[in-house]
Amino acid sequence: DTAVSQTPKYLVTQMGNDKSIKCEQNLGHDTMYWYKQDSKKFLKIMFSYNNKELIINETVPNRFSPKSPDKAHLNLHINSLELGDSAVYFCASSPQPGQGRAGELFFGEGSRLTVL
Amino acid sequence: AQKITQTQPGMFVQEKEAVTLDCTYDTSDPSYGLFWYKQPSSGEMIFLIYQGSYDQQNATEGRYSLNFQKARKSANLVISASQLGDSAMYFCAMREGDFSGGYNKLIFGAGTRLAVHP
Repeated sequence: DTAVSQTPKYLVTQMGNDKSIKCEQNLGHDTMYWYKQDSKKFLKIMFSYNNKELIINETVPNRFSPKSPDKAHLNLHINSLELGDSAVYFCASSPQPGQGRAGELFFGEGSRLTVL
Repeated sequence: AQKITQTQPGMFVQEKEAVTLDCTYDTSDPSYGLFWYKQPSSGEMIFLIYQGSYDQQNATEGRYSLNFQKARKSANLVISASQLGDSAMYFCAMREGDFSGGYNKLIFGAGTRLAVHP
């Protein structure tokens, strides 16, 4: 039933490790995103994909690599984790223009990453 | 320059009272959209209300209304008859442009933490 689902919900790992977060949406949306929410609750876009094509790539370290195998999935792989990567990562999707509120984000529940 | 400004880091309100959360925005694009999201302590992001730049009427959704003042570039959220469950972080966000070509970037404000007291 879940519209946008992310796994895992919690991730605790050591500095230097590599980890992935997976996201899937069953809403039939063409556009998916990764947002990062830092410890001050500030939300910032990292990436967006439209029909598997990378559309937005904000100034994110290249240790972060998104992958969209199909338009329902968008995964985030992070190499060589650093302390500053600790945050909540939200996956989201948007309906196509003309369907619903243009640009509305449907969020997953978030994945809390803690780097020790 | 900040695109979305929420000047109230924290607000308190008595249960059953109304409260206004401020949001100002900055854009030169004639087509834009304004959103409010709620984030309770459980962490999920919940859509509350939307206002398009060309919408003539202020948006309303149940107890939520958006006081849209285009000339002042403000989009304040009004919550009427506050409930204890309204205690949460509230984010104002803006979409610039009309989402053509698949390009869409919601820019968020820093948020306002609302506490509702019994």
